[in-house]
Amino acid sequence: DIQMTQSPSSLSASVGDRVTITCRASQGIRNCLAWFQQKPGKAPKSLIYAASSLQSGVPSKFSGSGSGTDFTLTISSLQPEDFATYYCQQYSTYPLTFGGGTKVEI
Amino acid sequence: EVQLVESGGGLVQPGGSLRLSCAASGFTFSDHYMDWVRQAPGKGLEWVGRIRKKANSYTTENAASVKGRFTISRDDSKNSLYLQMNSLKTEDTAVYYCARITPSEYYMDVWGKGTTVTVSS
Repeated sequence: DIQMTQSPSSLSASVGDRVTITCRASQGIRNCLAWFQQKPGKAPKSLIYAASSLQSGVPSKFSGSGSGTDFTLTISSLQPEDFATYYCQQYSTYPLTFGGGTKVEI
Repeated sequence: EVQLVESGGGLVQPGGSLRLSCAASGFTFSDHYMDWVRQAPGKGLEWVGRIRKKANSYTTENAASVKGRFTISRDDSKNSLYLQMNSLKTEDTAVYYCARITPSEYYMDVWGKGTTVTVSS
């Protein structure tokens, strides 16, 4: 199975900060990577697919980059509604696997 | 509006069975692969399995942790997805989400709100 390792597992940031989350795959997954945002008690929400493509309706402050094994999610200017847990997920190979999550806290 | 609504969760004893449903609306259900994903209390997301569409013979993929115990099926005439869970274990306790797969990029673009399954004696 492909292991997805996110770092950091949690971070503290302030409104207006630029935040970067890293996701590393244990083997190459081309650009078959998605990012999701999850708030407490809610379902995950799609943010990014194909490593760098923005899901329709998602604000452009979210961006993704990378290919192969190393990927990043960047939030350009953190707002109160962005405090949540973020997950990466590879869809290159079965079984599909998620990273452990990054909790973004105030 | 594109919507997925899960149902069928509840409390079940270890070794028991449960069938979850996911009702789809607002899109052509038969055009999409569909996934189940679960989340144990306080834990991360775990992919459970996938069912492809009719053109791909409704074939399925499953996580090793549920293989032989869980079965994914669908009824396109009812715009519904199902997860039959047998031989349930306490570690199957989780919120279960259904998710739509885009027909081009094959990622999960729409999620339901989830249904809670508790396996306990």
